[in-house]
Amino acid sequence: NAGVTQTPKFQVLKTGQSMTLQCAQDMNHNSMYWYRQDPGMGLRLIYYSASEGTTDKGEVPNGYNVSRLNKREFSLRLESAAPSQTSVYFCASNMGGGLVNTGELFFGEGSRLTVL
Amino acid sequence: AQSVTQPDIHITVSEGASLELRCNYSYGATPYLFWYVQSPGQGLQLLLKYFSGDTLVQGIKGFEAEFKRSQSSFNLRKPSVHWSDAAEYFCAVGTSGGYQKVTFGTGTKLQVIP
Repeated sequence: NAGVTQTPKFQVLKTGQSMTLQCAQDMNHNSMYWYRQDPGMGLRLIYYSASEGTTDKGEVPNGYNVSRLNKREFSLRLESAAPSQTSVYFCASNMGGGLVNTGELFFGEGSRLTVL
Repeated sequence: AQSVTQPDIHITVSEGASLELRCNYSYGATPYLFWYVQSPGQGLQLLLKYFSGDTLVQGIKGFEAEFKRSQSSFNLRKPSVHWSDAAEYFCAVGTSGGYQKVTFGTGTKLQVIP
C-alpha cells in the first residue's frame, strides 16, 4: 500500500534556483493538497486541486505554482526559491466532494527543503 | 473563516498517567473535527474524527475525544499514556460539503517520561 508518495524527501537549493516537488497517490482520490509545515505554525495550505483539471490557491500560494498532471499526480513548483521557502512540504489527498467525502486527509511522508 | 487554537505548545506526562490535549475551534456551522498525530520525520496520521452524532468519539491507539458545542472544544484524551505516544498532535477543523477546507492548529508536542 503506497498511499501518497512524495519525491524528493530532501533537497537543498540556492536562492533563485527552481525545483519541482512530485506527489502521486494510488487511492483513486479526487482531491489533492500541498501544505507547508513550519515550527509553531502548524500546517498551512499552499494550493489544492479539488478534482482533476482544477487547481486553486490556499492560504500561502505566493512563490509557488502547481500542476494537476492527472488524477494521480499533483506537483508543486518553486520557480525562484527564497530562504523563506525553507520548510517541510506535505502532499495530501482525500476523496473530495459531495456526501462521500469523509474529510480524512492522507499524507505523504514529507519533503524537507532548505534554501540557502 | 474557521480557525483552530491549541493553547499548549508542549506537554510532558509520565508514562501511565492520563492525558488531555486541548483544542478550541471557531466555525459558523457544524464543524468536521479531526485529531492527527505526527511522529518525528513522518507525515500525519488520523487518530479520530467527528462529523455528527455521539459527541464522544473513539479513535485508534486508545485515544478518544469529546465534542462540546457550548465550549467550541474538541479535547483529546487518553487514560494511560505509553512511551510510544510521544509525538506531535494536531487538531483540525473542516468545512462541510464540496471541497473540504481543512484548517490545522499549531500543534502540541507530547513528551513522555519514564
